[in-house]
Parts: sequence; C-alpha cells; structure tokens
Amino acid sequence: GAVVSQHPSRVICKSGTSVKIECRSLDFQATTMFWYRQFPKQSLMLMATSNEGSKATYEQGVEKDKFLINHASLTLSTLTVTSAHPEDSSFYICSGEGRLAQYFGPGTRLLVL
Amino acid sequence: AQSVTQLGSHVSVSEGALVLLRCNYSSSVPPYLFWYVQYPNQGLQLLLKYTTGATLVKGINGFEAEFKKSETSFHLTKPSAHMSDAAEYFCAVSVSGSGGGADGLTFGKGTHLIIQP
Repeated sequence: GAVVSQHPSRVICKSGTSVKIECRSLDFQATTMFWYRQFPKQSLMLMATSNEGSKATYEQGVEKDKFLINHASLTLSTLTVTSAHPEDSSFYICSGEGRLAQYFGPGTRLLVL
Repeated sequence: AQSVTQLGSHVSVSEGALVLLRCNYSSSVPPYLFWYVQYPNQGLQLLLKYTTGATLVKGINGFEAEFKKSETSFHLTKPSAHMSDAAEYFCAVSVSGSGGGADGLTFGKGTHLIIQP
C-alpha cells in the first residue's frame, strides 16, 4: 500500500516552455503533499507544501510564480514549471503524507534545453 | 529549524561485513527521525523511523537504528551487508511523526553505500 506515482518520469523541453508534472496517491488520500527538488549527487530540498483545497506554502527562495502548485483533490497534486530555463533542469520528487509516513513518488527528471 | 548531517558521502564495505551509516541531527523540538533508501532510478523507500518509545528501531531488510538523544545521533546499522544493499541512504528529521506536518522532511546529503564482493 501507500503508492505514489508521478507522470511523466522524464521530460525534455525547450527553454521558455512550461512543463506540468502530476503526482498521484494511488491507494490513500493525501491531504498534504510535498514537492522536493534533487540536484545530482545532492540531497532532496523541500520546495513547497501543498494542502488540498488551499494555496501551497513555498520554502524560502522558491519562486511561487515559477513553480505553480495545484492540489485540487486528495489524490492529485500538480507542479507546473513555467517558462522553464536550463537551470530548472533537475529531479523533481513528490510525496504524500500518509498516516504513518511520507510516501514518495519515483520522481520526474526534467531537462530544459 | 532542523538540520541533518550525514558523515561520509560514500561508505564502502565488504559483503558480509557490518554496515554503519552515521547521522547526526539538530532540532529545537523533539525530533522524529527517518532513514530512507533510494535505489538507482527509483523513488525513496522508508527503511525505518523513530517517533517515540523504544530507541532501538528495527526496519526492513535487516536494518536498524538507535536514537541517542545525548549524542543527537540516529546511526543506521546492519550486521551483514548484502550486495543488494548498494544504494543511496538518506537520513531525515521532521517535527511530525508521519514525516509531514507543516515543515515536511529535512534531509541529509545522503550516503552512497558500496558493497564490495
């Protein structure tokens, strides 16, 4: 149980375009979902906390207008990287807060050319 | 605010040897502590966690960790390494027992475990 999926797993886009990443909790309801970013050989850094039906809370230094988060249902949160640039290339990981732990998705690798 | 320090970005042990991955934390409130494992091209998987109660916590795949408040440590151990243990290991701290709450998880930088045959 407690499975989280992400789609797409990999995406390549041109600079200036927007990319949407979906995060779904498949077998549990996640009132709270989290979005992390992981650079190569580094740890996960929390970007934002997403609460169902309300605005996301962003960590210091994360541009809310660039990383749009929507959590419209208890099983789906989306992260849209707007006007992507090469420096946005990274591994984006979401998680859903379950009763006992956070459960992580497999991640989405974004490459901006 | 919390922080996590993992000593050693790479740890290499022989198959069958003891595995010891070190984690120290700082937290202004009683912490909840987690170890996650990340296999190549996969998401993070919870190994074990400490919330309250017994300070020695047993997890999956034969791993265990001991919460030592006086040392602000939560080191991960396994008596006998297996080749399949090769992966990236992350220690994390939270103010919530589910690892969620208002602050999410604060991760260490990770330790890459290498198993030598």
